[in-house]
Amino acid sequence: EAQVTQNPRYLITVTGKKLTVTCSQNMNHEYMSWYRQDPGLGLRQIYYSMNVEVTDKGDVPEGYKVSRKEKRNFPLILESPSPNQTSLYFCASSPRLTYEQYFGPGTRLTVT
Amino acid sequence: GDSVTQMEGPVTLSEEAFLTINCTYTATGYPSLFWYVQYPGEGLQLLLKATKADDKGSNKGFEATYRKETTSFHLEKGSVQVSDSAVYFCALSDRESGGSYIPTFGRGTSLIVHP
Repeated sequence: EAQVTQNPRYLITVTGKKLTVTCSQNMNHEYMSWYRQDPGLGLRQIYYSMNVEVTDKGDVPEGYKVSRKEKRNFPLILESPSPNQTSLYFCASSPRLTYEQYFGPGTRLTVT
Repeated sequence: GDSVTQMEGPVTLSEEAFLTINCTYTATGYPSLFWYVQYPGEGLQLLLKATKADDKGSNKGFEATYRKETTSFHLEKGSVQVSDSAVYFCALSDRESGGSYIPTFGRGTSLIVHP
């Protein structure tokens, strides 16, 4: 089944404790993105990647890191999480620029 | 930069009522337009899309027409069901000058359908 998977689905952590949210797609898509969804703000792009070893900032990259060492994986790293990073995070992939995106199920992160 | 504006919700309707959710956009290029739907507890999934002017996207009884002259992509359905209750996002994807790729989403419109 074609899909985007994220892990974990739920995470509660404390300020400053490094964490990684994994994302994997099995559709051989070139483009992958990370978004955060907050009430009243909709979806905002954090980082995106056009191919292996090619990443770029989205609208809200501060406090986040990403890497794209393999085509299928695009982990999101929070080196020192803060409470304002409490949010619902989505990973997405797309076969080509301007095509529709395929979203993962989401990761709900709470930073206390 | 690009932007998408969609009507605020929640939109509350009775079953079998007609639905319209307005969406207008601004873009520097010639974007592709999308409607995504998010059911409770799930990720977004594509509902329909249109890639050029006057294209009509349709799926599951929903329709939207790419109107370049009015920069709009309004979502419509003739008869909604309780199972259509969800959040709907209008979005565009455009390649900005310089080659950046930042898809733009509206803030979402919550639809609640009562039996």
